[in-house]
Amino acid sequence: QVQLQESGPGLVKPSETLSLTCTVSGGSVSGSYYWSWIRQPPGKGLEWLGYIYYSGNTNFNPSLKSRVTMSIDTSKKQFSLKLSSVTAADTAVYYCAASYIPVAGTLDYWGQGTLVTVSS
Amino acid sequence: EIVLTQSPATLSLSPGERATLSCRASQSVSSYLAWYRQKPGQAPRLLIYDASNRATGIPARFSGSGSGTDFTLTISSLEPEDFAVYFCQQRSTWPWTFGQGTTVEI
Repeated sequence: QVQLQESGPGLVKPSETLSLTCTVSGGSVSGSYYWSWIRQPPGKGLEWLGYIYYSGNTNFNPSLKSRVTMSIDTSKKQFSLKLSSVTAADTAVYYCAASYIPVAGTLDYWGQGTLVTVSS
Repeated sequence: EIVLTQSPATLSLSPGERATLSCRASQSVSSYLAWYRQKPGQAPRLLIYDASNRATGIPARFSGSGSGTDFTLTISSLEPEDFAVYFCQQRSTWPWTFGQGTTVEI
């Protein structure tokens, strides 16, 4: 059973870069899954930010494409999100999640989520 | 992007009752639609994938149907843990998108 845990600062200043890491346990980051980031502003719905494959291939939501980068470190079993030039609108709970490739785009496993607040 | 519209926004029911939730897509998503349940303070959990397939460990009271643009999640008899928010989500076209959610409340 894959388990995911997000980590990173809970407070980011406007115009700075939000950085989060997801650590994977109970499985390998290589081969079977797409690794995704999803966010949920307080009291609102869910937005898929993008995903990364173990090879480093990525796909980002066009709404954020110019601000988002993702990376993966297979040796550490971690993947990461960076979101630049943040504003208050980026305040949200950020989830990392795993999508089994045969049903890519279905989120089988989720981290518990981490709240990131953008404020000075 | 594909917009998913869920209805109703809120469903007020009692334990043991049947719940019927709807999700309509702005264009066909074939059968590439999933349903998730989110309890307060928790991450969503996958219930149904590809319209009608129950995820591992999901009880039989949950069922999904539909194809194209119209989908339904049915909970045959509500348990206390089912009072939560439900989201539909499509994986037909990138970016994969979610509906705005239906709250099932007592």
